[in-house]
Amino acid sequence: GQSLEQPSEVTAVEGAIVQINCTYQTSGFYGLSWYQQHDGGAPTFLSYNALDGLEETGRFSSFLSRSDSYGYLLLQELQMKDSASYFCAVGGATNKLIFGTGTLLAVQP
Amino acid sequence: GAVVSQHPSRVICKSGTSVKIECRSLDFQATTMFWYRQFPKQSLMLMATSNEGSKATYEQGVEKDKFLINHASLTLSTLTVTSAHPEDSSFYICSARAPGQRREKLFFGSGTQLSVL
Repeated sequence: GQSLEQPSEVTAVEGAIVQINCTYQTSGFYGLSWYQQHDGGAPTFLSYNALDGLEETGRFSSFLSRSDSYGYLLLQELQMKDSASYFCAVGGATNKLIFGTGTLLAVQP
Repeated sequence: GAVVSQHPSRVICKSGTSVKIECRSLDFQATTMFWYRQFPKQSLMLMATSNEGSKATYEQGVEKDKFLINHASLTLSTLTVTSAHPEDSSFYICSARAPGQRREKLFFGSGTQLSVL
């Protein structure tokens, strides 16, 4: 089977940097994605890593280590609007995307 | 581009009734759509993969007779919750891949909050 584990909650202050970790176990691995979901809203795609290393997209960066089955999402210069749930996700040989347990990020003033 | 529309956004129904949820790709064709279910403060659980013109593929543990999926056109998939019961109350959300986008990038509808009384 497949499983993706994330911390359930993270709290940080405005302007800070926060890292959200994801460890995965999967049969067949194509890459690690990250999604953001505001309360009651639709998930939106943030980033994707197919290879080891860091991918940067503005204030958000994502890292992958395939040998460790581990990745993280790094959010810099936190803003109140970043308060949301963040999900890692993996797609394997099948056509579907499986999501992690999710991390609720609370940004405090 | 790549907009997925889902209706209704919220529905309240009596136990034993059936509820249909529509998912439309507005500006692209989607041969495959995915239906997820999400309980409060939990992850998105894949229920089934909807394939245009053929039968849906259900995940283990999802009752196909309970959750009927129809994908009759390249822009519309429907999920019908049959004989709904309170335990079916949940947030149902559909998604699709848009042509030319990486396979890991799904576009989601706005979701349907189902409450069964």
